Amino acid sequence: ETGVTQTPRHLVMGMTNKKSLKCEQHLGHNAMYWYKQSAKKPLELMFVYSLEERVENNSVPSRFSPECPNSSHLFLHLHTLQPEDSALYLCASSQERRESLGSPLHFGNGTRLTVT
Amino acid sequence: SQQGEEDPQALSIQEGENATMNCSYKTSINNLQWYRQNSGRGLVHLILIRSNEREKHSGRLRVTLDTSKKSSSLLITASRAADTASYFCATGRYGGATNKLIFGTGTLLAVQP
Repeated sequence: ETGVTQTPRHLVMGMTNKKSLKCEQHLGHNAMYWYKQSAKKPLELMFVYSLEERVENNSVPSRFSPECPNSSHLFLHLHTLQPEDSALYLCASSQERRESLGSPLHFGNGTRLTVT
Repeated sequence: SQQGEEDPQALSIQEGENATMNCSYKTSINNLQWYRQNSGRGLVHLILIRSNEREKHSGRLRVTLDTSKKSSSLLITASRAADTASYFCATGRYGGATNKLIFGTGTLLAVQP
């Protein structure tokens, strides 16, 4: 049990579908993240919700839309994806303090997404 | 880019040997972290070293940080088959309220029994 739960574990969707990935953290953390992991590439930070601030990577296409209704839940809404969006999508959480010099991330086991 | 780059990309050793992985980065940081990932799973945090620290230990792990050379190393002593995994370094640069960690491409470690 990682403390960060992601559902579903696997998802196959067509390019015209709409789906959502869900993440829930049970660690009492105040920051949550979405990362994309593709083969042979570094993990790509997509979105961050931290201390009521949302930060996004400007290179992430608008077909990915995050939602963070509270500090324990994070969603990634997907629509009209492309085959190159197939990847492992990882959610993470951390406990952040403004004066902190960094905190460890706690990851879920990811959702393996295949776009056909 | 402050992206960390691990070296080597792949490493194969025998059980009982030590494994050393290196990480280089380009910009100033305030912390550097090492993570491990087993196939098909999420990343697991191993150790965090702050920019004002030079060395840190945790069990069989030893991490060094040389900010003048913008590099770090992870040493796993007396390796075990269960240490087989991918290892990533991640550099942190605290920006406002956000701890933005930038990851490298990782080192794939195979420990042969």
